Amino acid sequence: QKEVEQDPGPLSVPEGAIVSLNCTYSNSAFQYFMWYRQYSRKGPELLMYTYSSGNKEDGRFTAQVDKSSKYISLFIRDSQPSDSATYLCATTPYSSASKIIFGSGTRLSIRP
Amino acid sequence: EAGVTQFPSHSVIEKGQTVTLRCDPISGHDNLYWYRRVMGKEIKFLLHFVKESKQDESGMPNNRFLAERTGGTYSTLKVQPAELEDSGVYFCASSQGQYQETQYFGPGTRLLVL
Repeated sequence: QKEVEQDPGPLSVPEGAIVSLNCTYSNSAFQYFMWYRQYSRKGPELLMYTYSSGNKEDGRFTAQVDKSSKYISLFIRDSQPSDSATYLCATTPYSSASKIIFGSGTRLSIRP
Repeated sequence: EAGVTQFPSHSVIEKGQTVTLRCDPISGHDNLYWYRRVMGKEIKFLLHFVKESKQDESGMPNNRFLAERTGGTYSTLKVQPAELEDSGVYFCASSQGQYQETQYFGPGTRLLVL
């Protein structure tokens, strides 16, 4: 069983739509959750992080963690063509907080 | 401020050859990480340096891989001899601190072993 499961997509939505990206994780000891964005031919770039259950908002982006169900979500409001990228959920194990465990990534395309 | 840089951007080699990848972290970042993504799989951790010391090398796949960070600045990752399954994208990242500090990734080196 993978430690972080993520639907690879691809996901294509029209500009302005609300996007929902989701992951599940297997280990209840995971404490720190992240979303990375990766444009084509670039490295992953940290978008948001959160420590606890609940929501964290940053502009058009909202990260949500539900530790009871081991579920991580990223919502993008008013999606723009520039949001087209691969989105990777990630976490770090308590025993080695420097080592990032990534999901496989969801490829998102926003149609103008 | 310059980001993490990696060289080369692409490398095509034959099975059995040696390849050396280089990573230059962000200036002042003591922590340097190597990750890789093989075809169809997720990005996986290889190892973590703090300055010139290996803090965690639990992700290194086998002894054909050798990572060094002499002087605590840039790092090299050598694959010798390369096998077909080593093909993928090798990412380097760096951070100031260790625990739950933001890791800044380079653009990656695309390695193809034929």
